Amino acid sequence: DQQVKQNSPSLSVQEGRISILNCDYTNSMFDYFLWYKKYPAEGPTFLISISSIKDKNEDGRFTVFLNKSAKHLSLHIVPSQPGDSAVYFCAASAGSATNKLIFGTGTLLAVQP
Amino acid sequence: EPEVTQTPSHQVTQMGQEVILRCVPISNHLYFYWYRQILGQKVEFLVSFYNNEISEKSEIFDDQFSVERPDGSNFTLKIRSTKLEDSAMYFCASRMTGGHEKLFFGSGTQLSVL
Repeated sequence: DQQVKQNSPSLSVQEGRISILNCDYTNSMFDYFLWYKKYPAEGPTFLISISSIKDKNEDGRFTVFLNKSAKHLSLHIVPSQPGDSAVYFCAASAGSATNKLIFGTGTLLAVQP
Repeated sequence: EPEVTQTPSHQVTQMGQEVILRCVPISNHLYFYWYRQILGQKVEFLVSFYNNEISEKSEIFDDQFSVERPDGSNFTLKIRSTKLEDSAMYFCASRMTGGHEKLFFGSGTQLSVL
């Protein structure tokens, strides 16, 4: 039951260029979306989020876009830096009592110097 | 910045043995979670805990699993009789409120069942 899908297991970009990570979801009840970054041997760390009432949220080099009609969101990183190399997880919640997060499978981003 | 602490970082056990994974959530947080990640797969929700009781659990969280907050600071996950398929990285997480607030994750415990 893959409610949140990240179809690209890996992505390689050059330093200074834009990284675009994509995420699709199937559950129309999701009303909040988050991106987490994960380095090896560490837990996921929060990066940026967006509510379903918005279509864009920006925080420094990171921007998340939400297309509700397509059930698609994307994370843009510009300019990409070598320190951005990590696994990026898309996550969603449906406003339940616990607001548990449903994660995608992750995309490994490699930023080449 | 405050952080969620998990111990041990690695746990090796024999199939059928009981294991207890320990977590110290951020001190003023009220909602607690366990997630796991099997190698190469997605991070999966196991259980949420609020007000000293389980508020939600997944299908994975069967009778072999239990959680406890024994002393107001620790939050533990017990697996009574481990199976090979329990081998995974287990993450503890916490948040202050039940709303749309980010989860803070610990660094995880890598459980290997032999």
